[in-house]
Amino acid sequence: DGGITQSPKYLFRKEGQNVTLSCEQNLNHDAMYWYRQDPGQGLRLIYYSQIVNDFQKGDIAEGYSVSREKKESFPLTVTSAQKNPTAFYLCASSYGEFREGYGYTFGSGTRLTVV
Amino acid sequence: AQKITQTQPGMFVQEKEAVTLDCTYDTSDPSYGLFWYKQPSSGEMIFLIYQGSYDQQNATEGRYSLNFQKARKSANLVISASQLGDSAMYFCAMRSGNTPLVFGKGTRLSVIA
Repeated sequence: DGGITQSPKYLFRKEGQNVTLSCEQNLNHDAMYWYRQDPGQGLRLIYYSQIVNDFQKGDIAEGYSVSREKKESFPLTVTSAQKNPTAFYLCASSYGEFREGYGYTFGSGTRLTVV
Repeated sequence: AQKITQTQPGMFVQEKEAVTLDCTYDTSDPSYGLFWYKQPSSGEMIFLIYQGSYDQQNATEGRYSLNFQKARKSANLVISASQLGDSAMYFCAMRSGNTPLVFGKGTRLSVIA
């Protein structure tokens, strides 16, 4: 079955460390996205990519970096420059252009905690 | 710029009753899609229902229906016969062109036995 896989499910980071969250999809989707969600809040866009080797900043890109070397993979690195990284991170994929009836497929998320 | 507004941070509903979750949107694109997602405490995002801007009929999926009023730019979600398992966060979202999905802040629904 096609789907999108995020790993790990839970991640603990010491202050000052970089960590990388994995996101892999086998849906042949062109576009991939990273969102951050704080407790009781909505989803805020960090980065997105509509094609391999290209990506755009979202609303809260500071302190994060991404790469898109393969169509299937869109890893997110939370750098030490991100002052408050504790949050729930969701990855999603979709067709590059809006198509009637098609939204996003989401991963199951990664809960990142700074210790 | 596209915008989604959900004005109800939290809602309570009695089990077996119907409930309406409000959503208004703003866009200048003539072609767009409106989506509702459910997010239980586990965090996964579950797609519920879709409405296209050119659809003449309101969308329905089982106990979910979308009250689409294009002139008012509203896309309210109606859940009929609420169940305890419906307790979750609900997000309204919109997409058009090649822009990312834009989400509202969500409504937390609590179903009371």
